[in-house]
Amino acid sequence: QVQLQESGPGLVKPSETLSLTCTVSGGSVRSVSHYWTWVRQPPGKEPELIGYIFYNGSPVYNPSHKSRVTISVDTSNSQFSLKLNSVTAADSAVYYCARVLKSREGHVYYMDVWGKGTTVTVSS
Amino acid sequence: DIEMTQSPDSLAVSLGERATINCKSSQSVLWSSDNRNYLAWYQQKPGQPPKVLIYWASTRESGVPDRFTGSGSGTDFTLTINSLQAEDVAVYYCQQYYSSPYAFGQGTKLEIK
Repeated sequence: QVQLQESGPGLVKPSETLSLTCTVSGGSVRSVSHYWTWVRQPPGKEPELIGYIFYNGSPVYNPSHKSRVTISVDTSNSQFSLKLNSVTAADSAVYYCARVLKSREGHVYYMDVWGKGTTVTVSS
Repeated sequence: DIEMTQSPDSLAVSLGERATINCKSSQSVLWSSDNRNYLAWYQQKPGQPPKVLIYWASTRESGVPDRFTGSGSGTDFTLTINSLQAEDVAVYYCQQYYSSPYAFGQGTKLEIK
């Protein structure tokens, strides 16, 4: 079955760029039935969707992060990535990549497969 | 933006008893064109990612025990766990996927009494 695995630095300095990659295995990132998303969860808080992308489409971002976020997909390596620039301590969280079911018309549905998550701490 | 509010924030239930978690959305998540409620329930155990239990407000994900039941429509939803088991200790979240930014509720922490 499809598995997702996040990778990237666990420590990022304030004002720098957080960069994470999610590797998709056991399935194709070229799926027409799914979006690929990044979700973060600060300690003790609820998850928050950062943005999502279709394998051949433009990313869609949460307006709260739109000015600082870039999500991209690399179909040749079955990966998708997150970049969040100008980070502060408020960006410290567990970051998850996840698969999102979608309708044929493009509507977002629920997240059915998640990576295990990676903890990112923003600190000097 | 649609806001999701869960109640209670935490609850303790005895083994074998019923747990009830509520979720209220600030506006309806019932899509008129397909008559489906765009709401999911997730279970998150410590150190693990969320796991979808229920989608379309009442459809159980494959492999989820039938003691988990979702109900409700429009703005008011309930997750019921019958015959509570020790492995059900977790934080439960509702999430709307009706409109961006697809918010989650603040979570309900379920413990054993």
